[in-house]
Amino acid sequence: GEDVEQSLFLSVREGDSSVINCTYTDSSSTYLYWYKQEPGAGLQLLTYIFSNMDMKQDQRLTVLLNKKDKHLSLRIADTQTGDSAIYFCAENLRRALTFGSGTRLQVQP
Amino acid sequence: DAGVIQSPRHEVTEMGQEVTLRCKPISGHDYLFWYRQTMMRGLELLIYFNNNVPIDDSGMPEDRFSAKMPNASFSTLKIQPSEPRDSAVYFCASSPSGAGSPLHFGNGTRLTVT
Repeated sequence: GEDVEQSLFLSVREGDSSVINCTYTDSSSTYLYWYKQEPGAGLQLLTYIFSNMDMKQDQRLTVLLNKKDKHLSLRIADTQTGDSAIYFCAENLRRALTFGSGTRLQVQP
Repeated sequence: DAGVIQSPRHEVTEMGQEVTLRCKPISGHDYLFWYRQTMMRGLELLIYFNNNVPIDDSGMPEDRFSAKMPNASFSTLKIQPSEPRDSAVYFCASSPSGAGSPLHFGNGTRLTVT
């Protein structure tokens, strides 16, 4: 099947690190993506990783990929209140993307 | 770059009426996608085009839904007749060619069918 799974909710305190996890089903996915959705807005691309990489870092964001376990994670360092949003992981089994259900990140001041 | 532009932002209509959603992709992008987002089903791919040609419409719910892309800068998603269960946020996205090119999303059209 083409299920991408994420936990629904994560709450952290401002300044802490956030880790959002995702599992995907198809090992033939060549790219994996993280998107952010703020209320009333579309999905904004945060970062993506090629499947032959284990890690990618981009400023406060770190993506880890474990192909053996089909597990993807997004770490946000020094989480800010502006990071509160829904985060989606996605895989590209085909040209279009298949998205997870999204993880709502709540950052408490 | 203005990004992907969708119109209208909000649409409220009565059951049985025809609804047309519009999308202008980013210039130079060869792929255009229509997704639907609901609380129950999350983000679902409805259809996507490559160079104005529909490639995969297996996600279109039923014959009431149709999508067209008459040229590289415009696409429509039409629902006729609309039903309350069609209420959702409809997103258009575009991407350039190239393996792994990410999708760029518009801000969506929130459709309410009463």
